[in-house]
Amino acid sequence: GQNIDQPTEMTATEGAIVQINCTYQTSGFNGLFWYQQHAGEAPTFLSYNVLDGLEEKGRFSSFLSRSKGYSYLLLKELQMKDSASYLCAVRDSDYKLSFGAGTTVTVRA
Amino acid sequence: GAVVSQHPSWVICKSGTSVKIECRSLDFQATTMFWYRQFPKQSLMLMATSNEGSKATYEQGVEKDKFLINHASLTLSTLTVTSAHPEDSSFYICSARDPGGMYEQYFGPGTRLTVT
Repeated sequence: GQNIDQPTEMTATEGAIVQINCTYQTSGFNGLFWYQQHAGEAPTFLSYNVLDGLEEKGRFSSFLSRSKGYSYLLLKELQMKDSASYLCAVRDSDYKLSFGAGTTVTVRA
Repeated sequence: GAVVSQHPSWVICKSGTSVKIECRSLDFQATTMFWYRQFPKQSLMLMATSNEGSKATYEQGVEKDKFLINHASLTLSTLTVTSAHPEDSSFYICSARDPGGMYEQYFGPGTRLTVT
């Protein structure tokens, strides 16, 4: 099984940077995903890491260290619309995703 | 590309009745679909893996006789909540695996079930 930990809540100011950490203990690691979820909606894909290192996609970047069981999602130039829940998910060798509890990010003006 | 739809988007039913939720992959063939449940302020919990043409694989603690899954074609999987109770009220989300897609798994928009 998977054990995935991420902070419950984070607050940041518009225009700032926020880093959401995720640690995991897993069997059969086959990739780590970050999703954004607004209340009442399904998750939307943000990023995917399967190898160590940093993946950058516009304002969002994600980092993975497989040896440490650690990932982070970096959100730059925060906008009000970035207020949402961010889910860290680990995929196993059967392509099943296990999700962390999610981090609620609140962006303040 | 890689669009997954769900129907209905929300449903209210009375306790003791059954509700069917459909999950369709619109522009790709999905040999595998996944069903998740999400309670308020909680994360997604995988309920079962649905494979086309074979029986679904249920996660520990999920009653297979209560949550019936049928994956009759490469583009359609259905989840039927039988004898629904108020505690089954939740947000049900499906995802479909597209091996040819870049990120493999694509989520539907979810179905909000309320049992009164």
